[in-house]
Amino acid sequence: EVQLVQSGAEMKKPGESLTISCKASGYNFSTSSFTWVRQVPGKGLEWVGKSDPRESQATYSPSLEGHVTISIDKAIGTVYLRWPSLQTSDTAIYYCARQLTDFWSGYALDEWGQGTLVTVSS
Amino acid sequence: SSELTQDPAVSVALGQTVTITCRGDSLRRYYATWYQKKPGQAPVPVMFGRSSRPSGIPERFSGATAGSTSSLTITGTQAEDEGDYYCYCRDSAGHHAFGGGTRLSVL
Repeated sequence: EVQLVQSGAEMKKPGESLTISCKASGYNFSTSSFTWVRQVPGKGLEWVGKSDPRESQATYSPSLEGHVTISIDKAIGTVYLRWPSLQTSDTAIYYCARQLTDFWSGYALDEWGQGTLVTVSS
Repeated sequence: SSELTQDPAVSVALGQTVTITCRGDSLRRYYATWYQKKPGQAPVPVMFGRSSRPSGIPERFSGATAGSTSSLTITGTQAEDEGDYYCYCRDSAGHHAFGGGTRLSVL
């Protein structure tokens, strides 16, 4: 059974750094891309970025590039989302999802983590 | 452009058919995928590619694409289908985007 298990809820102050994680199991980690998606309270789903274990660089939403970093530890099957300096506007639920890599699937997000609530407040 | 446009809300009578649409230039080149989102739950994929249902999704869900429009149709809508539906697609630069979401109400 494929599982994506995310780290727990976080409460931080503006300017602090944070890393949340998503551990994958039940399949060959090295064959999949991973995507981070967020949902700001009261808003819709928003694509944050993606990382492919077969590539050296992640791809980010233009509105978030430079503000977050996605990284992967292949050895332990875990993908990370990191903020060097949080802003109150980062308050959201963050989901990791496995992204299929074929055109015919529409590059679908077929498996999802349970979500991590990040709250940034002074 | 990766911008995807959805109607904010639609309603349907129990047992009837409803179609949710998604419009965007990227849909001319790439397939959309569709997700159901309910409060307090992670999104659930309900349609992949041209019209492929993930495992466990009922046959009443179907998808289609024509030009710059992708659609998700629910035939014989059930009460449990109520929720927010999002389309998702990539663009030629390798970025992805969600539509704004459509809130489906089952009357």
